[in-house]
Amino acid sequence: AQTVTQSQPEMSVQEAETVTLSCTYDTSESDYYLFWYKQPPSRQMILVIRQEAYKQQNATENRFSVNFQKAAKSFSLKISDSQLGDAAMYFCAYTTLGGSARQLTFGSGTQLTVLP
Amino acid sequence: DAGVIQSPRHEVTEMGQEVTLRCKPISGHNSLFWYRQTMMRGLELLIYFNNNVPIDDSGMPEDRFSAKMPNASFSTLKIQPSEPRDSAVYFCASSTPLGGSTDTQYFGPGTRLTVL
Repeated sequence: AQTVTQSQPEMSVQEAETVTLSCTYDTSESDYYLFWYKQPPSRQMILVIRQEAYKQQNATENRFSVNFQKAAKSFSLKISDSQLGDAAMYFCAYTTLGGSARQLTFGSGTQLTVLP
Repeated sequence: DAGVIQSPRHEVTEMGQEVTLRCKPISGHNSLFWYRQTMMRGLELLIYFNNNVPIDDSGMPEDRFSAKMPNASFSTLKIQPSEPRDSAVYFCASSTPLGGSTDTQYFGPGTRLTVL
């Protein structure tokens, strides 16, 4: 079974600084997708960034980028120029492309605080 | 384009009552997922549908839970009878099919259920 581990329950960053959230996963599949979702106090789950495992190039979305290390099964999220609106719970998630098992497996989340 | 729509946003009921949660997926998406989020268990998949057909319901906790998708634009999750331990936030998500664009799940705003 696939598992996703986020070892940092809480993180804090100063406004305008850079922070990196860690995520590791365990799978025997070779083709899969990885995601970071953001959940602010409103509870809405918002897609932040997505990475296809077959792509070697790390995904970027404006101030958000990932460091995808397939061999190490590591998928960290870097937030540059942190803003107050980035404060939220961040979830790392995995989905396989094989068979019918297309569910998202989530990590336990990292609560990010942005300090003014 | 409207996102995933869920209703109600909040539901407070008494133990033993029937509860029905509703979801309208994004138009054109043919996969629909129901998740439950609790502090103790995090985000967990309850059931998902492909083309209105239930594919994997192994996450449904017990027979008190049932889900239907009578057409491509509507799904319900029913709990009968409800119990206090069912209190959680229930999310609906939809996605496009494999082989189409990237298999990304987009979430609704969630329904916060409180069973007294």
